[in-house]
This record gives sequence, C-alpha cells and structure tokens, in this order.
Amino acid sequence: DVKVTQSSRYLVKRTGEKVFLECVQDMDHENMFWYRQDPGLGLRLIYFSYDVKMKEKGDIPEGYSVSREKKERFSLILESASTNQTSMYLCASSLVGVYNEQFFGPGTRLTVL
Amino acid sequence: GEDVEQSLFLSVREGDSSVINCTYTDSSSTYLYWYKQEPGAGLQLLTYIFSNMDMKQDQRLTVLLNKKDKHLSLRIADTQTGDSAIYFCAEWDNDMRFGAGTRLTVKP
Repeated sequence: DVKVTQSSRYLVKRTGEKVFLECVQDMDHENMFWYRQDPGLGLRLIYFSYDVKMKEKGDIPEGYSVSREKKERFSLILESASTNQTSMYLCASSLVGVYNEQFFGPGTRLTVL
Repeated sequence: GEDVEQSLFLSVREGDSSVINCTYTDSSSTYLYWYKQEPGAGLQLLTYIFSNMDMKQDQRLTVLLNKKDKHLSLRIADTQTGDSAIYFCAEWDNDMRFGAGTRLTVKP
C-alpha cells in the first residue's frame, strides 16, 4: 500500500515563528502536493513538485515556501507564521499518468496563536 | 480560475440512497473523481470516471457524468452509517481541482 506520512498530526505555533511541515511518501512517486483545507473552501493547492528540486506555485502560495531535496520528501515552510495560516494541511503524492490518483497523508492541523 | 462546486451538506437515513452532486467548469477535464474523507483522516480515492464515459458502477456506488451540462453525481445505494464522511468532487486537466466537499450525515 502507498503510504504518505506527515510529521505531526497537531501543531501549535506562535505568530512569527518559522514552521516546517514534513511529508514523506514511500512509493517513489514523482509528484507531490501541499494543500490546505478550510471549512467551506475545500482543498486549495499551495505548491506542488513534479521532481526533485522542482516546484510550482499553486493557487495560494503567498506566505509559504517548499523544499524537495529528495524524491520521497516534500517540506512546506511557513517563514513567519500568521494567524490566518491556522488550517489543516494535507500532503499528497501521485505517479505521472495512471489516471493521476493522488494519495493523501492524514493531515497536520496547525494552530497559530 | 476554474471552479468545482458542490453543496456542503447532505443528510439521509440509513438504508436510503444518497446522491451527491457536483458541477465543474473546465470542459477539457480528462478525469473526474470522487474522494472520501473520514473524520481525522486524509482523502482517499473512492472512484473516478474518464471524461468519455457517462456512467460507472462499482458495487453500491454509481457515478453519472453529463458532459454537456458539466455535471457529475455520486449515488450511494443502501447508505450506511459508515458512509458518513466528507465527499470531494475533483477534476483533472493538467492539475487537480477540488470542490469544497459535501458532508454526508447518515442517521440510523
């Protein structure tokens, strides 16, 4: 089974802190994604990566950056956390082609105080 | 940008059929998906349909696609309490776009 793991299920940070959210997948998938999920807004794409060291902005990249130094790991970075970044963050991975099914991690619920 | 829209809530009684509807705007979408999110978990692919199909059946699930109206629906027959979850409609055309999710509540 494909496994996508995220470093934390729950995280509480203070405004202005630098926050790292880590995601690891074990199926050699080329594509990896970071979404945030907010009630009534569904999933919104922050960044995605289609290869090591490659990244593309999604719909809401402001306030975020990403890092993909290894194929299996995709990190989301909040340089200076703000209260409006309180959300559920979901990581996903997929192969190229194969009807593009995305496999999701369990999510990290981040609260910024 | 392109939008995927779906109603936010649906409540049914156990044993009834559930129908979750979705509309999308990108006519060049190649695949359309239904994902299920159970409480405290990530999303899992439930089923998908290729854009040149109009129906797909998989056990209790029936997906209907009306490409002319850009309307996708998911029917769950004999709905059970274990079907209570949030259901996301999504479309793929170079990237994946999700709807806001429909929270299905099944009452015993």
